[in-house]
Amino acid sequence: SQQGEEDPQALSIQEGENATMNCSYKTSINNLQWYRQNSGRGLVHLILIRSNEREKHSGRLRVTLDTSKKSSSLLITASRAADTASYFCATDGEYGNKLVFGAGTILRVKS
Amino acid sequence: GAGVSQSPRYKVAKRGQDVALRCDPISGHVSLFWYQQALGQGPEFLTYFQNEAQLDKSGLPSDRFFAERPEGSVSTLKIQRTQQEDSAVYLCASSLARSFYGYTFGSGTRLTVV
Repeated sequence: SQQGEEDPQALSIQEGENATMNCSYKTSINNLQWYRQNSGRGLVHLILIRSNEREKHSGRLRVTLDTSKKSSSLLITASRAADTASYFCATDGEYGNKLVFGAGTILRVKS
Repeated sequence: GAGVSQSPRYKVAKRGQDVALRCDPISGHVSLFWYQQALGQGPEFLTYFQNEAQLDKSGLPSDRFFAERPEGSVSTLKIQRTQQEDSAVYLCASSLARSFYGYTFGSGTRLTVV
């Protein structure tokens, strides 16, 4: 079963706007990762944040982690049509030996 | 290789047929994972190898599913006597070491059981 729950399930925005996706999880973790999946393709690793970090940036991506609330958010700034994809958070769970994925957020960026 | 390669890209199997799905991980990646992704869902863990050792197979849905990685490189996921509920995308991923680094995923094999 999946540990992470993404919110919202689907998000539709205009090009240039910011997109925020949230993820909640259940167990303690060593790290939390975000992945993107374009239709019919494999997942692409976007960013990893360790449990002792609170915020991390990579280009137009900003990830926050609140271990007390067992939640994370992914912010994509100045979105582009090419950002249209499904986004998944994944946690390494209690034993750190495998990633457990949420159900994902479908992002659609309209040009 | 430069990425994780999976073959075949698409597979249509008649119910009851056996199938074998292949994964070529990135050279030097110790960890290899298989996931199953149903339409509209996130990937579900199937099994994990560290080199040739299968350390976790808790996600395999039944004894019809079998995975191997005999030389610590290429891995094969075999499904015997396929059922319609086995229809899904099967994703392979490799990593330098467990989950401490990001995974690199292949493009997956879409299995359709008819």
